[in-house]
Amino acid sequence: NAGVTQTPKFQVLKTGQSMTLQCAQDMNHEYMSWYRQDPGMGLRLIHYSVGAGITDQGEVPNGYNVSRSTTEDFPLRLLSAAPSQTSVYFCASSYLSEAFFGQGTRLTVV
Amino acid sequence: QQQVKQSPQSLIVQKGGISIINCAYENTAFDYFPWYQQFPGKGPALLIAIRPDVSEKKEGRFTISFNKSAKQFSLHIMDSQPGDSATYFCAASPLQGAQKLVFGQGTRLTINP
Repeated sequence: NAGVTQTPKFQVLKTGQSMTLQCAQDMNHEYMSWYRQDPGMGLRLIHYSVGAGITDQGEVPNGYNVSRSTTEDFPLRLLSAAPSQTSVYFCASSYLSEAFFGQGTRLTVV
Repeated sequence: QQQVKQSPQSLIVQKGGISIINCAYENTAFDYFPWYQQFPGKGPALLIAIRPDVSEKKEGRFTISFNKSAKQFSLHIMDSQPGDSATYFCAASPLQGAQKLVFGQGTRLTINP
């Protein structure tokens, strides 16, 4: 039982490049979320999903796209990376009131 | 606008002491208040949580105190140990709304041996 798996763990992008952060969970949870963690700001919600085909915006959605085609996967796409998107990204799946987080992807945009 | 405000930003406590971290919230629609613990290089993990219909919840050395009228809640760690050194986040959400947690800024706790 792997829980929530994020890939890659580290990534360096050039400004303007695109990439997809992968997230997969094996707990059969309907709800999944993406957060970014920045020093002194805690974790901020980017997008979330309450089931396959259903997504919604969080607090900081600009510059990011998501889709949810299966219960297991919830990828986060950066269409044109900017230095302001340098951060640690966490994916979470949740059941009732508890969220289970992956180990994070550290992204640097230069 | 930070909906959940957490203090202090960092905290150093001697082994065996009491660690106290405070949070305040604004949105009265929040109905669930968890604390998450994060070790370096790892994702946050649920430590303890409380609903606003109780004023205190204790699990081992960890206690949440909740003041609904003041919209404040705090985490107390009794007999703090070096293994408790981590970053702690308070959070808030609607009940069964863990897909959209609102986090505080975090507190880096260091327990000196």
